[in-house]
Amino acid sequence: DARVTQTPRHKVTEMGQEVTMRCQPILGHNTVFWYRQTMMQGLELLAYFRNRAPLDDSGMPKDRFSAEMPDATLATLKIQPSEPRDSAVYFCASGLGYYEQYFGPGTRLTVT
Amino acid sequence: KQEVTQIPAALSVPEGENLVLNCSFTDSAIYNLQWFRQDPGKGLTSLLLIQSSQREQTSGRLNASLDKSSGRSTLYIAASQPGDSATYLCAVSLHTGANSKLTFGKGITLSVRP
Repeated sequence: DARVTQTPRHKVTEMGQEVTMRCQPILGHNTVFWYRQTMMQGLELLAYFRNRAPLDDSGMPKDRFSAEMPDATLATLKIQPSEPRDSAVYFCASGLGYYEQYFGPGTRLTVT
Repeated sequence: KQEVTQIPAALSVPEGENLVLNCSFTDSAIYNLQWFRQDPGKGLTSLLLIQSSQREQTSGRLNASLDKSSGRSTLYIAASQPGDSATYLCAVSLHTGANSKLTFGKGITLSVRP
């Protein structure tokens, strides 16, 4: 049963620290998405990649967030430096196109 | 800017009841609309996808309808069960090709009481 995996599942860190979240997309999928979910804003698209190339990262705060795909089996989302307002659940999703997206279980980030 | 609204934010019903979840969107020029389910602590699972040219889609006890002109979609759940308890989100995609974004509503948290 192919699934999107995300690590870590939970992360608690202090303000100012670097946070790296990892995602392993489903083998063979060519699109990868990063979302952030909060109670106030709901689910927001941060960035997405097709064939490892970033297509849209307009939803991401550029000064502190960065997203990369070092290879087809790994996507990373990095926050440096982290702030309390970054506390949220971060989801990765993968698919074969834009509309069919399979979500991972998420990383719950708490920045104190 | 496309906005997706789901009201109410939460709903509690007794088991066996048929129910309707509503979704509205401000820009009717959508490419498609999807309904997702999210269980606590989990990611989203796509339930139904309706293309803009379609009026409804069915899967088991679920039926989703789309009225583009009025900017509305409904998810009908027949004979609800406690296992249907979850948050249901709708999302729309604008007709802007490969770079179109999914815009999500904040979801309706459904509780089905045994």
